[in-house]
Amino acid sequence: KAGVTQTPRYLIKTRGQQVTLSCSPISGHRSVSWYQQTPGQGLQFLFEYFSETQRNKGNFPGRFSGRQFSNSRSEMNVSTLELGDSALYLCASLPGQGKTEAFFGQGTRLTVV
Amino acid sequence: AQRVTQPEKLLSVFKGAPVELKCNYSYSGSPELFWYVQYSRQRLQLLLRHISRESIKGFTADLNKGETSFHLKKPFAQEEDSAMYYCALEPGAGNMLTFGGGTRLMVKP
Repeated sequence: KAGVTQTPRYLIKTRGQQVTLSCSPISGHRSVSWYQQTPGQGLQFLFEYFSETQRNKGNFPGRFSGRQFSNSRSEMNVSTLELGDSALYLCASLPGQGKTEAFFGQGTRLTVV
Repeated sequence: AQRVTQPEKLLSVFKGAPVELKCNYSYSGSPELFWYVQYSRQRLQLLLRHISRESIKGFTADLNKGETSFHLKKPFAQEEDSAMYYCALEPGAGNMLTFGGGTRLMVKP
């Protein structure tokens, strides 16, 4: 079974630009969550999508948004990038039925200059 | 709001020594607790969770609801245990983990 795939692996953007990150969950998994990892704040929950609907949302500004498609693939978008958005963005998938382990992708390293 | 605290950022032990990575949490309900591990250049992966009450790679963790703790223990550390360890809480509302700050475990030969 293929694991969680995140693309691209690395990104460099300029302040003020926007960026879209992609996550393909494990086949059959319907829940995708996104996390931001920084040295200062650690791992922080951004949002979760289940069956194309946002089910939970973390404490991030509205510049951070996401969506999920009918094939469970998910994208997150960050608009008007700030230097502080530089981070490793991780997505995690799980079946969405009952409580099981979350499977993480390798992450997308975003650098804002 | 829930919170997970891992008081040690770095824990350094010698091979064969016992290891205890501390985790305390605050949450008003009955959460699920997990330990995730990240080995060098690998993705974050589940080590164990409290509901399964199993031992993985010699590690165990007991949920103490009175002390709101979920410490990770191993009686004899191995060099391959060197990694970053994260304690996490899931309140039961979905795929929404709250992570502690992480503890880097270094096992010296």
